[in-house]
Parts: sequence; structure tokens; C-alpha cells
Amino acid sequence: QLQLQESGPGLVKPSETLSLTCTVSGGSISSSSDYWGWIRQPPGKGLEWIGSIYYSGTTYYSPSLKSRVTISVDTSKNQFSLNLSSVTAADTAVYYCARDSDGSGTPGGWLDPWGQGTLVTVSS
Amino acid sequence: DIVMAQSPDSLAVSLGERATINCKSSQSVLYSSNNKNYLAWYQHKPGQPPKLLIYWASTRESGVPDRFSGSGSGTDFTLTISSLQAEDVAAYYCQQYYTTPLTFGGGTKVEIK
Repeated sequence: QLQLQESGPGLVKPSETLSLTCTVSGGSISSSSDYWGWIRQPPGKGLEWIGSIYYSGTTYYSPSLKSRVTISVDTSKNQFSLNLSSVTAADTAVYYCARDSDGSGTPGGWLDPWGQGTLVTVSS
Repeated sequence: DIVMAQSPDSLAVSLGERATINCKSSQSVLYSSNNKNYLAWYQHKPGQPPKLLIYWASTRESGVPDRFSGSGSGTDFTLTISSLQAEDVAAYYCQQYYTTPLTFGGGTKVEIK
């Protein structure tokens, strides 16, 4: 059974870089069918897709965050990571990782399964 | 970007009654070459990750109770809970995957009346 788990600091200072890692278990991140994505939910708000990555390193990002986001993959560890630079209080959110796939190996799919999520607070 | 608009923002339904949630996309998410609608539905309970309910607009994910159904095509979609159970209290989101960026509706909160 495929499982994902986020890890990283729960508190980040303004202007610094938020860094999270998602560890995939029960399956290979090198699957040719799947992308791997990051999604966030600010307190009291809806879901926002941040970006996704293929095992080869191909990425696609939300245009609204593209200038600050880097997603990378480490196939040897079955992990992918999120870096979000120059954070502000508006980046405070629960961050989720998920498999992004419609089974075709092309960008864009439904998101399943999801990690449990991790709350990241931006505050000095 | 494709904008996803959900309605209503919230609804209260009696146990055993039908709940209907609407989702409208700013452009069609029907891919003509395969006649598939690139639309998914999720259930989100507090403290838990979102759970995939429906993909391809009407295909129920394995293990999802058959009281959940998805319908619609093009730009207009509906999630129906045919007989609301207490465990269905949650927020529900639609999401399009026709094109990037992936976008979600604003969510609909379902409560017991």
C-alpha cells in the first residue's frame, strides 16, 4: 500500500526558506506512470496546488508560486522535496504531499494518496 | 488558469437525505480525443488528509461507498451523496486536471441538519 509522509520544520522565520521532504513507501517514486506533488491549505482556506515532479526531475509549478518554489527528487531515497523561499505569514499552511497521476505518465492528474500533512508556521 | 467554482459554500442535510454539491469550471475539462472529463472530487475531514472519492468525473475510487456519485460533463459537475450518513460530515472539493496548474474549487462544507 502506497504511503507518503511529510517531514520538516514546523516553524520558519519570515524571509527564510521553507524546506519539506516527502518520503514514499510501499511503492517506487520512479514509477513511469506518476508525478509527485505538493499541495497546501492555509488555515480556514481551501486547497492550493504548489507543483509536481517526475522521477526524471521534470517539474511543473503553480504560476503564482513559481518564482519562489523548487521541487526536487531523490530516487535513491524514494523522496521528493519542496523548497519555498522568501516566506511570509501568508505561507503559513498545512503542507501535503501526494501522488499526482492519471496513470498516463503525463503532467496533471488526480491526487491520491496524500500524506498526513504538516503544519508550517511562518513567524519570528 | 481554469477557475473552479463550487456551490453552495455550505449545506445542512438531514440524516438519510440527499446532498448535492455543484462544481463549475471556467472552461471545458472534457478532452475530446478520449471523451473523458478531467475532474476529481475529494472529501476532507478536519485533522485528516483529503480523500479521493471520484475521478474522471464519475468513476468511484475503490472502497468509496456507492452513496457517493459524480456526474456532469464539460463545465458543469455534481457530487451527490444519496443518503447522508453522520460520517459524511466534511468539506468536499472538486479539482480539474485537464491542464496545469491543477486547480481546486473553494470547497463545500456538509453538515447534519
